[in-house]
Amino acid sequence: ILNVEQSPQSLHVQEGDSTNFTCSFPSSNFYALHWYRWETAKSPEALFVMTLNGDEKKKGRISATLNTKEGYSYLYIKGSQPEDSATYLCAFIRQGAQKLVFGQGTRLTINP
Amino acid sequence: DAGVIQSPRHEVTEMGQEVTLRCKPISGHNSLFWYRQTMMRGLELLIYFNNNVPIDDSGMPEDRFSAKMPNASFSTLKIQPSEPRDSAVYFCASSLGRRGTSEQYFGPGTRLTVT
Repeated sequence: ILNVEQSPQSLHVQEGDSTNFTCSFPSSNFYALHWYRWETAKSPEALFVMTLNGDEKKKGRISATLNTKEGYSYLYIKGSQPEDSATYLCAFIRQGAQKLVFGQGTRLTINP
Repeated sequence: DAGVIQSPRHEVTEMGQEVTLRCKPISGHNSLFWYRQTMMRGLELLIYFNNNVPIDDSGMPEDRFSAKMPNASFSTLKIQPSEPRDSAVYFCASSLGRRGTSEQYFGPGTRLTVT
């Protein structure tokens, strides 16, 4: 069974604060890791696709790092804003596989 | 670009009825995915097409579910007969490329309620 685990499950952050959360995945046979943002009543929206150990990607105030040897990725949000409130999903695909396996997500709420 | 288009957006049907969900992927994308979202299981892949050919249908729950992609711009997911436990949001997504290094673009989803 392929487990992709995200922590914490939910997080409340004050507006303006920075935050981060984790995606853990099997470290063997890594192929790619995806991050998606999923706002309530909308559909998931791609943030990053990461393939190389040590990768760092950035989009505005959101960035992500990847450690394939130890099997984790961090997503960082700098200076949180109310519009950052969403569920953040990571998804993993291993070598030789055809499909992404999604984690259960981290539900982020930004308090004004 | 209109993005991935799904219809209907909401479907309410009675147990035993046939349900057909429709998806139009983004033009030029060659991979198409059907997902189901439930509270218990989160987002799970049902079936994946590449160049209109089903590549992985291991996530299709049972024989009541079937999916087709007759051409590059249209796919259907059919449930026959439907059951209350099929109630969920069904998403279609498309991407450019075969493997998992391409980001997926999701449609707005179809919320299915089976009574």
